[in-house]
Parts: sequence; structure tokens; C-alpha cells
Amino acid sequence: GAVVSQHPSRVICKSGTSVKIECRSLDFQATTMFWYRQFPKKSLMLMATSNEGSKATYEQGVEKDKFLINHASLTLSTLTVTSAHPEDSSFYICSAPPPVGGREGNIQYFGAGTRLSVL
Amino acid sequence: GENVEQHPSTLSVQEGDSAVIKCTYSDSASNYFPWYKQELGKRPQLIIDIRSNVGEKKDQRIAVTLNKTAKHFSLHITETQPEDSAVYFCAVHSGGSYIPTFGRGTSLIVHP
Repeated sequence: GAVVSQHPSRVICKSGTSVKIECRSLDFQATTMFWYRQFPKKSLMLMATSNEGSKATYEQGVEKDKFLINHASLTLSTLTVTSAHPEDSSFYICSAPPPVGGREGNIQYFGAGTRLSVL
Repeated sequence: GENVEQHPSTLSVQEGDSAVIKCTYSDSASNYFPWYKQELGKRPQLIIDIRSNVGEKKDQRIAVTLNKTAKHFSLHITETQPEDSAVYFCAVHSGGSYIPTFGRGTSLIVHP
């Protein structure tokens, strides 16, 4: 199946700094990518849908200015947590659907996740 | 929007026993139902899926059943092994949407 690469896998930063997380589709083009946040022992909460060449679509309650999403190319989407605070500490995961018209249907290909710890 | 309920939140079994996890959904137009397994600190991985035109699907020790009328589907794991211990998420796609709605997850613990 398709591979989605996510970096970094772990980030520890001081409060007030910004952190960028990258999500790349390695062997296919992804016009859409999804960003999730996951709290310990909780489900995946969709934060936003990243669209190549246009603005991201944010879910209700997610601060656009706090979580900046850029989908600069057909293989790269980035999530920047701006002015991070301890409450932003979480596990962030990206995913991408397979190319339109592919046989994989609705399968989501997930990145390995990024564990953010804000001190 | 779609509402997905998953039960139980925690399931503890002895090695060799069967495990069953259930999910219900609200949108009758939903047509794709994947199950993901997530080990601690790792990415969710698809383990089995079913589409709305099928009632049951099996892959070795794992099976999924779908009852469209009742709007629920279940994951069945037989002959459980310690390596089956993980969090399992059901998901529901409505009308061909690429955006899934996830259940809350079930933490499965298999005791050797």
C-alpha cells in the first residue's frame, strides 16, 4: 500500500516556540491530507483537512491561527503549532486517502505520528 | 453528522479466548466500515474492512460482520494472542467520503 511519512516523530520544546510537523506521501500524490490530534487513550480527533493549492478546512473548535496548515505540493502538507503551550502537548497524526479512482477505495494511510511535549 | 459509538472501551481476555468489539452508527447512507489497530505510540493500521453490500468478511483470525438494518458492525478476533493487545478503532465513511468518523477506541488486553 501507499506510504505516508511524518516527521519528526517526537518533539520537546519550550512554551512559546513554534513547531512544524511534516507529512509526505512518498509514492503517490495526495491532493488532500487530514490532520488528527489524539489524547492518551482517546480516539482520533480530526482537526483539519488540508487541500493542495487552497486553504485548509478546519473542524469546529480548532483555532486556525494556532494550527497553521500548508499544503504546498501534491506530496507535502505541514502543520505548524504556533506559540505552543503545555496544553498543546499531544500526539498528532496525518493521513492521506489513496489517489482518486484507485482500487483502495476509502482506506486511510496514516503517518507514524508526532508526539509533541511542550514544557 | 455521523455519530459512531464503540463498545466496550476496555476488553480484557485470556490468551486463546475470542474478543468482540461493537460499533453502531447513525447515518444510513454510510457505506464503508474499516477497523484499525493502533499499538502504543504507533500509527493506526487497517486490519480489515467491509462495505455495505457485504454482510460478513473474514481474514484468518479476524472477521467483521455488518448489520445494515440495525446500523451496527462488529470486529471478531478468535484465538487471541498477546500480540493482539492494542487499541482498536472502528470507523465509518458516509456516501463515499474520504473523511472517516472514528469510534472512541477499545483497549484490548490479552493476558498470556
